[in-house]
Amino acid sequence: DVKVTQSSRYLVKRTGEKVFLECVQDMDHENMFWYRQDPGLGLRLIYFSYDVKMKEKGDIPEGYSVSREKKERFSLILESASTNQTSMYLCASSFRGREKLFFGSGTQLSVL
Amino acid sequence: GDSVTQMEGPVTLSEEAFLTINCTYTATGYPSLFWYVQYPGEGLQLLLKATKADDKGSNKGFEATYRKETTSFHLEKGSVQVSDSAVYFCAPYNYGQNFVFGPGTRLSVLP
Repeated sequence: DVKVTQSSRYLVKRTGEKVFLECVQDMDHENMFWYRQDPGLGLRLIYFSYDVKMKEKGDIPEGYSVSREKKERFSLILESASTNQTSMYLCASSFRGREKLFFGSGTQLSVL
Repeated sequence: GDSVTQMEGPVTLSEEAFLTINCTYTATGYPSLFWYVQYPGEGLQLLLKATKADDKGSNKGFEATYRKETTSFHLEKGSVQVSDSAVYFCAPYNYGQNFVFGPGTRLSVLP
Protein backbone atom coordinates (compact mmCIF):
# COMPACT_ATOMS: atom_id res chain seq x y z
CA ASP A 1 0.00 0.00 0.00
CA VAL A 2 1.08 3.52 -0.75
CA LYS A 3 1.98 5.44 2.33
CA VAL A 4 1.98 9.23 2.55
CA THR A 5 3.26 10.36 5.92
CA GLN A 6 2.88 13.82 7.38
CA SER A 7 5.26 14.59 10.20
CA SER A 8 2.78 16.06 12.68
CA ARG A 9 -0.91 15.44 13.35
CA TYR A 10 -1.36 18.60 15.41
CA LEU A 11 0.78 21.72 15.49
CA VAL A 12 0.40 24.95 17.46
CA LYS A 13 2.47 27.97 16.45
CA ARG A 14 2.62 31.68 17.23
CA THR A 15 1.96 34.49 14.79
CA GLY A 16 5.15 35.40 12.94
CA GLU A 17 6.87 32.04 13.43
CA LYS A 18 8.36 30.16 10.50
CA VAL A 19 6.58 26.84 10.14
CA PHE A 20 7.66 23.71 8.29
CA LEU A 21 5.21 20.96 7.36
CA GLU A 22 6.84 17.80 6.10
CA CYS A 23 5.46 15.09 3.85
CA VAL A 24 7.08 11.84 2.73
CA GLN A 25 5.76 9.25 0.25
CA ASP A 26 7.15 5.77 -0.29
CA MET A 27 5.85 4.89 -3.78
CA ASP A 28 8.27 6.78 -6.02
CA HIS A 29 5.49 9.11 -7.19
CA GLU A 30 6.52 11.96 -9.46
CA ASN A 31 3.80 14.35 -8.31
CA MET A 32 3.26 15.76 -4.86
CA PHE A 33 0.67 18.27 -3.67
CA TRP A 34 -0.18 20.46 -0.72
CA TYR A 35 -3.82 21.32 -0.01
CA ARG A 36 -5.53 23.15 2.77
CA GLN A 37 -8.97 22.06 3.93
CA ASP A 38 -11.39 24.54 5.47
CA PRO A 39 -15.07 24.06 6.38
CA GLY A 40 -17.34 25.09 3.54
CA LEU A 41 -14.45 25.59 1.16
CA GLY A 42 -13.35 22.01 0.61
CA LEU A 43 -9.79 21.40 -0.52
CA ARG A 44 -7.80 24.17 -2.13
CA LEU A 45 -4.48 23.56 -3.85
CA ILE A 46 -1.57 25.56 -2.48
CA TYR A 47 1.40 24.21 -4.47
CA PHE A 48 2.34 21.13 -6.37
CA SER A 49 5.53 19.58 -7.68
CA TYR A 50 5.94 17.24 -10.63
CA ASP A 51 9.65 16.55 -10.16
CA VAL A 52 12.55 17.19 -7.83
CA LYS A 53 13.25 20.91 -7.50
CA MET A 54 10.22 21.70 -9.69
CA LYS A 55 7.17 23.46 -8.29
CA GLU A 56 4.07 25.20 -9.52
CA LYS A 57 1.63 27.48 -7.79
CA GLY A 58 -1.83 26.24 -7.10
CA ASP A 59 -4.91 28.31 -6.41
CA ILE A 60 -3.82 29.92 -3.11
CA PRO A 61 0.00 30.14 -2.94
CA GLU A 62 0.18 33.50 -1.14
CA GLY A 63 1.98 33.25 2.18
CA TYR A 64 3.43 29.82 1.41
CA SER A 65 6.50 28.35 -0.23
CA VAL A 66 7.58 24.76 -0.88
CA SER A 67 10.72 22.72 -1.20
CA ARG A 68 11.36 19.42 -2.95
CA GLU A 69 15.00 18.44 -2.70
CA LYS A 70 14.33 14.68 -2.87
CA LYS A 71 11.68 12.83 -4.82
CA GLU A 72 10.01 11.35 -1.76
CA ARG A 73 9.83 14.52 0.34
CA PHE A 74 7.77 17.68 -0.15
CA SER A 75 7.83 20.45 2.42
CA LEU A 76 5.41 23.31 2.90
CA ILE A 77 6.81 26.45 4.50
CA LEU A 78 4.94 29.28 6.12
CA GLU A 79 7.55 32.05 6.22
CA SER A 80 5.66 34.10 8.81
CA ALA A 81 2.60 32.33 10.13
CA SER A 82 -0.63 34.29 10.47
CA THR A 83 -3.90 33.43 12.17
CA ASN A 84 -5.69 33.07 8.82
CA GLN A 85 -3.38 30.14 8.06
CA THR A 86 -5.00 28.11 10.82
CA SER A 87 -6.28 25.12 8.88
CA MET A 88 -5.99 21.43 8.12
CA TYR A 89 -3.13 20.79 5.69
CA LEU A 90 -3.20 17.71 3.51
CA CYS A 91 -0.33 16.32 1.48
CA ALA A 92 -0.97 14.04 -1.51
CA SER A 93 1.05 12.24 -4.15
CA SER A 94 0.40 10.55 -7.48
CA PHE A 95 2.06 9.06 -10.50
CA ARG A 96 2.69 11.30 -13.49
CA GLY A 97 -0.87 11.02 -14.91
CA ARG A 98 -2.17 12.56 -11.64
CA GLU A 99 -5.46 10.70 -11.84
CA LYS A 100 -5.38 8.90 -8.50
CA LEU A 101 -4.27 10.87 -5.49
CA PHE A 102 -2.97 9.28 -2.30
CA PHE A 103 -3.37 11.45 0.78
CA GLY A 104 -1.67 11.72 4.13
CA SER A 105 -3.73 11.96 7.31
CA GLY A 106 -3.30 15.71 7.56
CA THR A 107 -1.75 18.25 9.92
CA GLN A 108 -4.11 20.45 11.92
CA LEU A 109 -2.22 23.72 12.30
CA SER A 110 -3.33 26.33 14.79
CA VAL A 111 -1.68 29.75 14.65
CA LEU A 112 -2.26 31.79 17.80
CA GLY B 1 -12.84 27.95 -13.96
CA ASP B 2 -14.10 24.50 -13.13
CA SER B 3 -16.34 24.19 -10.08
CA VAL B 4 -18.40 21.71 -8.10
CA THR B 5 -21.67 22.14 -6.25
CA GLN B 6 -22.62 19.57 -3.67
CA MET B 7 -24.82 19.58 -0.61
CA GLU B 8 -22.68 20.32 2.43
CA GLY B 9 -24.82 18.70 5.04
CA PRO B 10 -24.45 17.41 7.57
CA VAL B 11 -26.61 14.62 6.32
CA THR B 12 -27.85 12.45 9.15
CA LEU B 13 -29.38 9.05 8.44
CA SER B 14 -30.33 5.96 10.34
CA GLU B 15 -28.54 2.72 9.62
CA GLU B 16 -29.93 0.89 6.55
CA ALA B 17 -31.42 4.09 5.10
CA PHE B 18 -30.99 5.03 1.44
CA LEU B 19 -28.35 7.65 0.69
CA THR B 20 -28.15 10.21 -2.09
CA ILE B 21 -25.54 12.96 -2.19
CA ASN B 22 -26.02 15.31 -5.11
CA CYS B 23 -23.13 16.66 -7.14
CA THR B 24 -23.20 18.93 -10.15
CA TYR B 25 -20.18 20.39 -11.85
CA THR B 26 -18.97 22.83 -14.46
CA ALA B 27 -15.82 21.86 -16.27
CA THR B 28 -14.01 22.48 -19.50
CA GLY B 29 -13.54 19.61 -21.89
CA TYR B 30 -14.66 16.12 -21.00
CA PRO B 31 -13.55 15.36 -17.47
CA SER B 32 -13.44 12.11 -15.61
CA LEU B 33 -15.53 12.23 -12.45
CA PHE B 34 -14.51 11.04 -9.02
CA TRP B 35 -15.84 10.60 -5.51
CA TYR B 36 -13.30 10.71 -2.71
CA VAL B 37 -14.12 9.86 0.92
CA GLN B 38 -12.49 11.09 4.12
CA TYR B 39 -13.04 8.96 7.21
CA PRO B 40 -12.56 10.60 10.63
CA GLY B 41 -8.93 11.38 11.33
CA GLU B 42 -7.74 10.29 7.91
CA GLY B 43 -6.85 11.77 4.55
CA LEU B 44 -9.01 11.40 1.47
CA GLN B 45 -9.13 8.14 -0.45
CA LEU B 46 -10.60 7.29 -3.80
CA LEU B 47 -14.10 5.80 -3.54
CA LEU B 48 -15.13 5.46 -7.18
CA LYS B 49 -14.79 7.04 -10.58
CA ALA B 50 -16.35 7.19 -14.04
CA THR B 51 -14.55 8.25 -17.18
CA LYS B 52 -17.25 8.81 -19.80
CA ALA B 53 -20.92 9.57 -20.20
CA ASP B 54 -23.35 6.95 -18.82
CA ASP B 55 -20.53 5.05 -17.11
CA LYS B 56 -21.36 3.85 -13.62
CA GLY B 57 -18.66 3.77 -10.98
CA SER B 58 -19.15 1.52 -7.99
CA ASN B 59 -17.32 0.46 -4.85
CA LYS B 60 -18.25 -0.70 -1.33
CA GLY B 61 -21.97 -0.59 -2.23
CA PHE B 62 -21.77 3.01 -3.45
CA GLU B 63 -22.67 3.93 -7.03
CA ALA B 64 -22.60 7.04 -9.19
CA THR B 65 -23.50 7.49 -12.87
CA TYR B 66 -21.84 10.02 -15.18
CA ARG B 67 -24.66 12.17 -16.54
CA LYS B 68 -23.20 14.43 -19.18
CA GLU B 69 -26.50 16.05 -20.18
CA THR B 70 -27.14 17.27 -16.64
CA THR B 71 -23.44 17.58 -15.65
CA SER B 72 -24.13 15.54 -12.54
CA PHE B 73 -22.54 12.65 -10.68
CA HIS B 74 -24.81 11.85 -7.74
CA LEU B 75 -23.59 9.34 -5.15
CA GLU B 76 -26.01 6.66 -3.94
CA LYS B 77 -26.02 3.73 -1.55
CA GLY B 78 -28.97 1.50 -0.89
CA SER B 79 -28.32 0.78 2.79
CA VAL B 80 -25.84 2.84 4.78
CA GLN B 81 -23.89 1.60 7.77
CA VAL B 82 -22.44 3.43 10.76
CA SER B 83 -19.00 2.82 9.24
CA ASP B 84 -20.00 4.98 6.23
CA SER B 85 -19.91 8.08 8.41
CA ALA B 86 -17.40 10.32 6.66
CA VAL B 87 -17.03 13.37 4.44
CA TYR B 88 -17.62 12.76 0.73
CA PHE B 89 -16.02 14.88 -1.99
CA CYS B 90 -17.07 15.08 -5.62
CA ALA B 91 -14.27 16.00 -8.03
CA PRO B 92 -14.04 16.40 -11.81
CA TYR B 93 -10.64 15.85 -13.35
CA ASN B 94 -9.21 16.71 -16.76
CA TYR B 95 -6.04 14.89 -17.74
CA GLY B 96 -2.94 16.99 -17.20
CA GLN B 97 -4.73 19.42 -14.91
CA ASN B 98 -5.45 19.34 -11.20
CA PHE B 99 -8.50 18.03 -9.38
CA VAL B 100 -11.27 20.45 -8.49
CA PHE B 101 -12.80 19.35 -5.20
CA GLY B 102 -16.28 20.20 -4.03
CA PRO B 103 -16.85 21.51 -0.48
CA GLY B 104 -17.54 18.01 0.81
CA THR B 105 -20.69 16.50 2.31
CA ARG B 106 -20.53 15.26 5.88
CA LEU B 107 -22.55 12.09 6.45
CA SER B 108 -23.46 10.83 9.91
CA VAL B 109 -25.11 7.42 10.20
CA LEU B 110 -26.80 6.65 13.50
CA PRO B 111 -27.23 3.10 14.81
